[in-house]
Amino acid sequence: DGGITQSPKYLFRKEGQNVTLSCEQNLNHDAMYWYRQDPGQGLRLIYYSQIVNDFQKGDIAEGYSVSREKKESFPLTVTSAQKNPTAFYLCASSSEGYGDYGYTFGSGTRLTVV
Amino acid sequence: QQQVKQSPQSLIVQKGGIPIINCAYENTAFDYFPWYQQFPGKGPALLIAIRPDVSEKKEGRFTISFNKSAKQFSLHIMDSQPGDSATYFCAASILGGSEKLVFGKGTKLTVNP
Repeated sequence: DGGITQSPKYLFRKEGQNVTLSCEQNLNHDAMYWYRQDPGQGLRLIYYSQIVNDFQKGDIAEGYSVSREKKESFPLTVTSAQKNPTAFYLCASSSEGYGDYGYTFGSGTRLTVV
Repeated sequence: QQQVKQSPQSLIVQKGGIPIINCAYENTAFDYFPWYQQFPGKGPALLIAIRPDVSEKKEGRFTISFNKSAKQFSLHIMDSQPGDSATYFCAASILGGSEKLVFGKGTKLTVNP
């Protein structure tokens, strides 16, 4: 089945530690996105990529980094510079023009600072 | 001008009621308006989408109404069920462009039995 796989489902980070969230898609979508979700804040865009080896900052990119070396993969690193990283992180992908499916989202990674 | 304003933030209805969630936008270039449904601990899933050449679209118990002149669109859920309890997001974008989806802040719907 085609879809987006995010891993891990739960992640715990110690203060000052960098962690990487995985996002893999087999939908052959060109564009991929990372969102952060906090209660009452909706979906806030961190980074997005419309083509391999290229990506752009979203609204809240500070403290995060990404890479897009393969079409299928768009990992997100939460760096120690992100002071409040506890949140639910969602990865999404889309094809040009969205088709009938719009964005396809993964099932999310819940990151907690301990 | 890139914002999509969604209301209400939360909504409680009884089973069988018709919850209505409203969204407004400013950018007249937007031509794609999807709604997403998100259950707790899950990613959002596309529920229904509309383009501005029609004023209404139905899929099962879910209906989008679109008012181009008012730059507003809304989601109606007919005969709502407890299983419809979720967070709903509206969004807008420009098809075929490099513009990404702009999301509303979400509405938490609770349908009581």
